[in-house]
Formats: sequence, structure tokens, C-alpha cells
Amino acid sequence: QVQLVESGGGLVKPGGSLRLSCAASGFTFSDYYMSWIRQAPGKGLEWVSYISSSSSYTNYADSVKGRFTISRDNAKNSLYLQMNSLRAEDTAVYYCAREEGPSGVFDYWGQGTLVTVSS
Amino acid sequence: NFMLTQPHSVSESPGKTVTISCTGSSGSIASNYVQWYQQRPGSAPTTVIYEDNQRPSGVPDRFSGSIDSSSNSASLTISGLKTEDEADYYCQSYDSSNQRVFGGGTKLTVL
Repeated sequence: QVQLVESGGGLVKPGGSLRLSCAASGFTFSDYYMSWIRQAPGKGLEWVSYISSSSSYTNYADSVKGRFTISRDNAKNSLYLQMNSLRAEDTAVYYCAREEGPSGVFDYWGQGTLVTVSS
Repeated sequence: NFMLTQPHSVSESPGKTVTISCTGSSGSIASNYVQWYQQRPGSAPTTVIYEDNQRPSGVPDRFSGSIDSSSNSASLTISGLKTEDEADYYCQSYDSSNQRVFGGGTKLTVL
């Protein structure tokens, strides 16, 4: 069965960096676009970034552009999010999600990893 | 920037029908597929509708989706409401830059 497991969250000071990982299993990882989506405490969902199946295309929300970098290693079935220059407003649960079909529906989600940016 | 606007909350009684709207800020909402996700407290979202009106396997046919071009809106309708339907619901689509966009979410209370 499809599984997505995020890791790497934690407490970091403003201006600091963190790298999130998402381990995928149960499907051919290299066939799918993948996204990171976040949810601040008590708030709604916010799409952060996507990467194409072969890493040819990436896209970022304006709120993270220039600070976050998405990448993947298809040999390791892993997705990454390098987060630099972190701000308090980046505090959120970060989910990785698989995109499927012409609509790119997020059909599978991980359980999320919490990132807290605070001094 | 393209935005999707949802009502903050809706409430209805068990057995009744509720509709949640999702209005696009510009362009035609019909130009890109709309998805709907259900999120219960403490859990990751799950898909209830994709490609405007398609239900994933396992989602009951009490859930349906539609597009109304005249109001530039998508709608999620849940009929025969059950207490287990109480959750947050999010619509999602795309903007002209291919950025994925979520609506602000609607809290459904079944009372």
C-alpha cells in the first residue's frame, strides 16, 4: 500500500534552516509529481511546492520562493524540502503528498511533520 | 493572485443536505479541475471529490461535486448527512502559473 512518511521537523530559531524528508513506498515513486503542503496551527492548508517526476519542473508558493528548495532522489524513493531563512510564519505541520492524474489531485498524504520556528 | 473563497462554516442536521461553495477570484473556475478534501481533527486530508465531480473509490455517493460557470463557483454537496461527516472541507485548484491553490476551508458541523 502507498505510504508517505515525513521526517525532519523540529524547533528552529528564526533565520535558521531545516531539511524535511519524505520516504515513499508502495508505488513507483519516479512516475509521480510530488508536493509539499503545510498547515499552520489552527489554520487552513497552504500548498508550498511541487516537483515533477524527473525533477525537470519545480514551482513554489510566493511565500517561500527564494527560501525553500524542493528536490527528490528517485533512486532512494525520497522527497526533500530544504528550508532556509525560516520565519515564525513558517511554523506549521508539513505534509508531503502524491499528485495523480490530469487534475494532479493529492491522492495520498503523509501524516505530517511539525516545524516550529521560535526563539 | 488567484484565490478560492469558501464560507468559514456551515451547519446542518443529520439526514439533511448541505452544499459548500468555492468561488474563484478571477478567470474561469471551469478552466482547471477542482478537488475537494475532507480533514478530520488530527488527521491528514483525504480526497472526497476530484476532477470537479469524480468520487474516489470508497467515498459514498452522498458526496457530489459540480461547477457553475455563471457564478464562477464549484460546489460540494453532501446529502443524507451523518455525524461522521463533521470535518473541515477544502477545495483546491490551480492558477495561471500552475501553482496549486487551496480555499480557506469550511468547517462543517452536523448537529
